[in-house]
Formats: sequence, structure tokens, C-alpha cells
Amino acid sequence: ETGVTQTPRHLVMGMTNKKSLKCEQHLGHNAMYWYKQSAKKPLELMFVYSLEERVENNSVPSRFSPECPNSSHLFLHLHTLQPEDSALYLCASSQSGGGTDTQYFGPGTRLTVL
Amino acid sequence: GQSLEQPSEVTAVEGAIVQINCTYQTSGFYGLSWYQQHDGGAPTFLSYNGLDGLEETGRFSSFLSRSDSYGYLLLQELQMKDSASYFCAVRDGSFQKLVFGTGTRLLVSP
Repeated sequence: ETGVTQTPRHLVMGMTNKKSLKCEQHLGHNAMYWYKQSAKKPLELMFVYSLEERVENNSVPSRFSPECPNSSHLFLHLHTLQPEDSALYLCASSQSGGGTDTQYFGPGTRLTVL
Repeated sequence: GQSLEQPSEVTAVEGAIVQINCTYQTSGFYGLSWYQQHDGGAPTFLSYNGLDGLEETGRFSSFLSRSDSYGYLLLQELQMKDSASYFCAVRDGSFQKLVFGTGTRLLVSP
């Protein structure tokens, strides 16, 4: 595997379910991100992890819980979600201090909350 | 806070040149980036401007004027595969937080 991978690619869950999204980066980067992308809205930054520490929590509801066990893996734990949480969830990684700080995105998880 | 404005949609024909504008309002400025996203795909990095002027990468160029809080992405010799959404983004001073525009959907027709 190369780049940034995400699993699952598609997820349908009920409002009472608990599920987790997984992201893995194979680029040796030291920062990872979760974004939410809804139709007709800009990409919304949710969380930023740098060297496995959370450095940004962009006022995200507590029903979204991130976890970064090491610099290559990032999880987003979901519980008691709402239908308006249906969206594409994108993971990204970057190397801090790399000049342009280019972010590399995974293919995303398309989440549908019923 | 940060805000970026882009046109919602642009149409063009193959072989043409198209310019996608981006105006921004930021409390701090650390460069303007452009990303491309095909339907169902991941955003991919296209270009970055940290200083005023034009950056050229093959058929794509990006321009920045910090005094005008304005930039644009120029796509030349358009191809059907260029049909995608294009996002401008500015880096917030706090770490590497990127704030994205709403995106411009480019439709290239034969």
C-alpha cells in the first residue's frame, strides 16, 4: 500500500450504533488530519494530530472521538450520530516544516447515518 | 476568522484556457494552495504560492497577489480529464491548519 488509505470506503449505520473509521499513512509523515466534506460545503477540518498529540479540535461534537496510537494510524470513533453527520470523511497527512506543508488525502469514507 | 470565495462553477471546452479565482480574508497568511478533486476521489495537491507572482507546473499555473488577497489557478490546453472540483486553501498560522474554499466545479466539454 502506498499513500494514505482509509477503511471502510462506505459505511451505513443507525443512530444508536458505534463504529470506527481507520486511516493509515505510508508516507512517513508526522501529522494527520480528519476532515468532513458535505455536499455544497467546504472541507471542514475536524481534528489535527502532530506527533501523535491532538493539536486542534475544531469544535467537533463529542459523538466524534479521534484516536492516534502512532504516527501512521488515525481512527475516528463514532457513536450516537445524527443524520446530518452523513458525509464524506477524509483523512490526510503531511510533514511538518516541509515548506508548502502539502497535505495528502485518503480516498475517504462515505458515511450514511439512518 | 478565515473565509475564501470561489465561483461555484466554470464551463469551458477542450483546448481552451480557464481561470479560477479565489479571494480570501484571513487574520494571518501563510500561503495559498490549490487542490483538485474528481468526483468520488480524494483531493490532490496542485500548486502552492507563498509569495506574490506566478508559479507554473506544466499546464497549470497559480498566481498570488497578497496585497489584493487574491489568487487564481490557470488551466491551459484543457482536457476532458480536467473536469473536477478545484479548491483554494489558506494555511492558518496555527500549525498546519488549512482552511478551504467552497470549491469550483469545472466542466470541460468536447
